[in-house]
Amino acid sequence: QQQVKQSPQSLIVQKGGISIINCAYENTAFDYFPWYQQFPGKGPALLIAIRPDVSEKKEGRFTISFNKSAKQFSLHIMDSQPGDSATYFCAASMGSGGSNYKLTFGKGTLLTVNP
Amino acid sequence: KAGVTQTPRYLIKTRGQQVTLSCSPISGHRSVSWYQQTPGQGLQFLFEYFSETQRNKGNFPGRFSGRQFSNSRSEMNVSTLELGDSALYLCASSRAAGNTIYFGEGSWLTVV
Repeated sequence: QQQVKQSPQSLIVQKGGISIINCAYENTAFDYFPWYQQFPGKGPALLIAIRPDVSEKKEGRFTISFNKSAKQFSLHIMDSQPGDSATYFCAASMGSGGSNYKLTFGKGTLLTVNP
Repeated sequence: KAGVTQTPRYLIKTRGQQVTLSCSPISGHRSVSWYQQTPGQGLQFLFEYFSETQRNKGNFPGRFSGRQFSNSRSEMNVSTLELGDSALYLCASSRAAGNTIYFGEGSWLTVV
């Protein structure tokens, strides 16, 4: 059972454009939603995370939008740069009591930003 | 501050053998978790340790095991290796439950 569905699988964007990656979850007990960025040969690195008490969180060019009723969240990368080319993973965990040590990941989106 | 360190980075094993992977968490981090990453299944949770106790385990067979030492360092072991165990094994650490999880660069295991 895939609890976190991520789309698209791959995305090609021109430099300066907006990259949008979407995720949908099934388990309403999830209450912590991080995004990770992974370059080839490297481990995933935390990009930005959100909890469901807010609908949007912005850090630099990266924004998470969260829709609790639709059980969806998305990552927007503004002014996309070639250096953003990587695989992006959304994830979710049950943070009740702070025990968000078990992340359930989406399948990943390979982002290519053309110069 | 050093990140999560995993050793070895690359290894090749034969079917039926066993392997032990090591992880040193970020200094001060007491929670260590392990994930398996494959092209087909993506990132899957293996297990998590806190203060030498396994708190949660993913849906993997008993051939996959782990442990944590008093200095928070962790090892995972896979016995009777199968071709399908070829994957990137990632270790992650966090200060405690509820904190940001940081990943190491992983150990690439190839089973031939």
